[in-house]
Amino acid sequence: TQLLKQSPQFLSIQEGENLTVYCNSSSVFSSLQWYRQEPGEGPVLLVTVVTGGEVKKLKRLTFQFGDARKDSSLHITAAQTGDTGLYLCAGPGGSNYKLTFGKGTLLTVNP
Amino acid sequence: DTAVSQTPKYLVTQMGNDKSIKCEQNLGHDTMYWYKQDSKKFLKIMFSYNNKELIINETVPNRFSPKSPDKAHLNLHINSLELGDSAVYFCASSLPGQGRGYTFGSGTRLTVV
Repeated sequence: TQLLKQSPQFLSIQEGENLTVYCNSSSVFSSLQWYRQEPGEGPVLLVTVVTGGEVKKLKRLTFQFGDARKDSSLHITAAQTGDTGLYLCAGPGGSNYKLTFGKGTLLTVNP
Repeated sequence: DTAVSQTPKYLVTQMGNDKSIKCEQNLGHDTMYWYKQDSKKFLKIMFSYNNKELIINETVPNRFSPKSPDKAHLNLHINSLELGDSAVYFCASSLPGQGRGYTFGSGTRLTVV
């Protein structure tokens, strides 16, 4: 099973600050996905990255896939309280029918 | 409008009981899943179905029996509930193949007392 390690586990910041969270593995992934989960809800897909070195932007969120396709990062610029949530990275778990998740980064953005 | 809907949202039951969770998707996806999220928020796959056929059973106790009457529905029946079964259970669906994004339901919080 390919493992995904996310860091930090918890992050509490003030509104307006920038932050980066990480997703690392010792294995190569054909693609990685990022999800955000809010309390009482299921995870919602933010982005899929498939090419080594790829950078994708979603408003204030910037996602990068490492050149070797073993890691990914999510950078948020000028965080807002609405960015609060659990950020999960996920990758194919050795099967077309299985997505393996990291343990997540719980982000709290304080007003 | 709801893409993946699961019921009930909350389920509180006593040890030893049998319970079911239902899931339906209106996205036309071929593949459906059950995931379990523990108290530390770790999401772990339980089952994958493709076009009503079981593809993955991730070493789940046989007290858990999924059933897919058609490719839009995937239900989960749990027999002889144990305290350790308490968790949030998520249904999800996707198109088949690697790299496909999953659409999750809003979860069923199961509490066994």
